[in-house]
Amino acid sequence: EPEVTQTPSHQVTQMGQEVILRCVPISNHLYFYWYRQILGQKVEFLVSFYNNEISEKSEIFDDQFSVERPDGSNFTLKIRSTKLEDSAMYFCASSTGTGNTGELFFGEGSRLTVL
Amino acid sequence: GENVEQHPSTLSVQEGDSAVIKCTYSDSASNYFPWYKQELGKGPQLIIDIRSNVGEKKDQRIAVTLNKTAKHFSLHITETQPEDSAVYFCAASDKDNLFFGTGTRLTVIP
Repeated sequence: EPEVTQTPSHQVTQMGQEVILRCVPISNHLYFYWYRQILGQKVEFLVSFYNNEISEKSEIFDDQFSVERPDGSNFTLKIRSTKLEDSAMYFCASSTGTGNTGELFFGEGSRLTVL
Repeated sequence: GENVEQHPSTLSVQEGDSAVIKCTYSDSASNYFPWYKQELGKGPQLIIDIRSNVGEKKDQRIAVTLNKTAKHFSLHITETQPEDSAVYFCAASDKDNLFFGTGTRLTVIP
């Protein structure tokens, strides 16, 4: 069964460092998302991406964050100058349609710990 | 933006009993309401969904109900089994993105 894969599964970084989280969405999917989940809290939308550009982003997704689809398979989330409060589980998701037209398939997440 | 509230935050039931999780949403434009199950160390997985033109949907032991007027929807799991133990998230969407509730940790006691 096709699945969304994410790397790394866990990354520890020092405050102020840059981090890149990688995702390989399901191959025939067209919409890509990043969500984050701070420990014990709800899953929060960060950004959606379609047709090689951001289609929507939340207030959380400020200039510190960027996304890229550098080739036909990878979808990356870059966090510049990480802060302590960036510590969270980051989930990538992909779908054939938008939020209310296609099921979102989530990866297993990348746990980011900022020290 | 959409705000989804979910209750309870934790729920323990005896194996074989039913479990009910309730959610409310704020945006009347929302028209799609999925439920996700998150097992330890994994990403959320869709288990059932309902659209605003339907009041109830059932899939084996799982059912969802939707009350558009009151803006609330519920997940019902009957004949619970230990493997139902997980965190369950409700979500709402009007077009592009999903807005999640805070999650319910369900524990089924054998």
